[in-house]
This record gives sequence, C-alpha cells and structure tokens, in this order.
Amino acid sequence: DTAVSQTPKYLVTQMGNDKSIKCEQNLGHDTMYWYKQDSKKFLKIMFSYNNKELIINETVPNRFSPKSPDKAHLNLHINSLELGDSAVYFCASSQVSGQGAEQYFGPGTRLTVT
Amino acid sequence: GENVEQHPSTLSVQEGDSAVIKCTYSDSASNYFPWYKQELGKRPQLIIDIRSNVGEKKDQRIAVTLNKTAKHFSLHITETQPEDSAVYFCAASVAYKYIFGTGTRLKVLA
Repeated sequence: DTAVSQTPKYLVTQMGNDKSIKCEQNLGHDTMYWYKQDSKKFLKIMFSYNNKELIINETVPNRFSPKSPDKAHLNLHINSLELGDSAVYFCASSQVSGQGAEQYFGPGTRLTVT
Repeated sequence: GENVEQHPSTLSVQEGDSAVIKCTYSDSASNYFPWYKQELGKRPQLIIDIRSNVGEKKDQRIAVTLNKTAKHFSLHITETQPEDSAVYFCAASVAYKYIFGTGTRLKVLA
C-alpha cells in the first residue's frame, strides 16, 4: 500500500536516448510534483500539476515533458538525454496545491546518463 | 528572486547534545515552513512544520521557531541520537510551490 510510487528505481542510459519515469499516488491527492536532486543534494522543483493541469513549470529544458493522464499519475519523459541530467528524480504529491499542504515524496529514480 | 538559505551545510554533534539548523527566506508572503529529513538513499520525509501565525512548535525532541520579522526559522533537535543522522532540508512556501534550502548533513557521533 505504497503512497507514492515511482518506476523505475534505477535508470542507466546513454547520451541522446529518450526515457520515461512513471509516478503514481494512491492518496487521493489533487496535486503532483517532479523534483530533481543533484549530486550536491539540492532539491529543485521542476513541474507541478493540479487535477491534471500544469500549474508550475520552472526553468526546465524543453527536453523534459511531463504528462498527467489522471490526477493519480504524473509521468516524466526526457528526450535527448545529456550527462547533466544525471540525478535523482523525485515525484511528490499533496492534498492541495496551496500553501501549507504536506508533500509526500516517492522513493526516487536514480538516472545515470553515460 | 525566491531564495532559502540554510546553515550550516554540515553539522557534527556528540550523541545527547543538541543540534540547531537555521534558515532564512526571502519572500515575505511565505506563510508555511516545513522541515524534511532525508536518510541516505531514502526519500525526504516531513518531520515538523510551522505556519506564520505561530512562533514556536514542539514535537518531542524536535522544535521549530519562526521569526517573521527577520525572516528566520530554525530547527532544534535535543538529546540527539545516532538515528538522527541524515540530511535535513528546510523549505518555505512561495505561491503554489516550496523552495527548499540547500540541506544540512547532520552526523551524530556515538
């Protein structure tokens, strides 16, 4: 009964490839997020969706494209992978998108681009 | 722009001592300040939070204080234990997102 799940847990791929990471939450939350955590452990928000609608799109290259088929799922597709994309990607969800809502994180996907 | 500064970046304490981590935020509209703990290889998890209408909140060995005027908030851990060793992140709410601090790696020495 995992609250927020991600697949895959590890992803090793070569530069130039296209890959996807999937996220699902069974908490009934309205809002989902993607974060990138780099090697220095900085946690930076990339995208946020509320009821399948994009509400936050930080300065992220166009190669990254999120998709939310329903409010329980938020996937991240990355085109033309680069070395600098290597990081841990965390999905998260919260009850509402407003301030004061606890965010629940998934276990993370460690992406390594060689 | 939106920014949360966190200090120190690393902190080593003896078991049983107290640990204090400090954060400063830039957006005066921020009104919610969570603290997350991330153990090695694990996901960040909320340990305590505080809202702007409260100056202090305590939960067993963990407490958080907020100074809205100075835009400072701090995490206090008393009677530290080896299992407190982790990376701690502060965050401040800005519009529909949270801006995270740069993290503090806490080591509790037995």
